[in-house]
Amino acid sequence: ETGVTQTPRHLVMGMTNKKSLKCEQHLGHNAMYWYKQSAKKPLELMFVYNFKEQTENNSVPSRFSPECPNSSHLFLHLHTLQPEDSALYLCASSHITLGGGGYTEAFFGQGTRLTVV
Amino acid sequence: KQEVTQIPAALSVPEGENLVLNCSFTDSAIYNLQWFRQDPGKGLTSLLLIQSSQREQTSGRLNASLDKSSGRSTLYIAASQPGDSATYLCAPRFKNQGGKLIFGQGTELSVKP
Repeated sequence: ETGVTQTPRHLVMGMTNKKSLKCEQHLGHNAMYWYKQSAKKPLELMFVYNFKEQTENNSVPSRFSPECPNSSHLFLHLHTLQPEDSALYLCASSHITLGGGGYTEAFFGQGTRLTVV
Repeated sequence: KQEVTQIPAALSVPEGENLVLNCSFTDSAIYNLQWFRQDPGKGLTSLLLIQSSQREQTSGRLNASLDKSSGRSTLYIAASQPGDSATYLCAPRFKNQGGKLIFGQGTELSVKP
């Protein structure tokens, strides 16, 4: 148990469906991240939220829509996905120290294995 | 664009060997560097965090070193065991990228009994 929980663990969805991935951290962190991991590729950063504000959108298609209602929860809303979006989606959190002078250890959830059919 | 390279891409060793995994990065301006392991289909488990002001960190049979000026980090695993089989990832936090964790491709380690 890393303190970062992702649900669901597995998701199969059709290209016309709408679904959401959920991430919750119990570590008191103020930064949360979504990463995508496709087969044989490095982890790709998708979105960054610092202090509940989105600070990074790494050219992610609009069919992926993040939401951070509070510092403990992060969602990724999915709609009209493509088969190439099938991947492992990982959530992570860490803490930005006072004055932005540094970052603490990052912790990851177990991921959601998404299959788009 | 900052990049992270891990060598070797894959490694297979007999149980009991000491081994070294290498990580190089293109920009020495980092906050810290973190090593993770990932089991197939699972999330990432943090192994060690080494701050930019540190030279090394140790946890059990693991030792990570950092040479920031040359853009290199190594992960040393002593007396390897079959349970160490996994993919090992390094991730520096670059100052010029707002502290994002940037990952290499990883080293896939197999320890044979």
